Amino acid sequence: NAGVMQNPRHLVRRRGQEARLRCSPMKGHSHVYWYRQLPEEGLKFMVYLQKENIIDESGMPKERFSAEFPKEGPSILRIQQVVRGDSAAYFCASSSTSGANYEQYFGPGTRLTVT
Amino acid sequence: SQQGEEDPQALSIQEGENATMNCSYKTSINNLQWYRQNSGRGLVHLILIRSNEREKHSGRLRVTLDTSKKSSSLLITASRAADTASYFCATDGGNNRLAFGKGNQVVVIP
Repeated sequence: NAGVMQNPRHLVRRRGQEARLRCSPMKGHSHVYWYRQLPEEGLKFMVYLQKENIIDESGMPKERFSAEFPKEGPSILRIQQVVRGDSAAYFCASSSTSGANYEQYFGPGTRLTVT
Repeated sequence: SQQGEEDPQALSIQEGENATMNCSYKTSINNLQWYRQNSGRGLVHLILIRSNEREKHSGRLRVTLDTSKKSSSLLITASRAADTASYFCATDGGNNRLAFGKGNQVVVIP
């Protein structure tokens, strides 16, 4: 039973380029969450999605960031016109359902470096 | 917003000793979860404790939750070198957004 898959594992972008991060949830999971981790920090919630729906994007910057979870295929976190401050590890998690007391299982993360 | 905060921030112990770390939070929660992160890797889910539970065990792990003090503790018994990692607590207030602390670095010396 494959876990949460993320790719790429490492991504280097120059300032101004676009970054696309992909996440495939665990089999049978229809809820996806994206978190960002800055160096020496804990994870910060960004966005919560279900298939074709953004449920909660309160943690996502208003500009340059967007996320989707289409009916088919992985969830995508897209960062346009990247800046150095976007350098971080981006983690995706999935759960089998929402509501109280369901574990979120995390992928290995994508480490974004903006040069 | 609620946020877990671990204490102590860093812990260095000898193999075989027990390691205890604490986590405090500010608002009401549905559950609290502990995760482990090895350097440069993803997070591994360790244990979830619900707000109506006081203690939970999983192998060498023991988690307690005191909702009156808004705190939790994670005990790792008979530590091993492989337990060297960062440990995070995360609270779920029922909105599916986990709020993480800054993490607790544990080093187990062989």
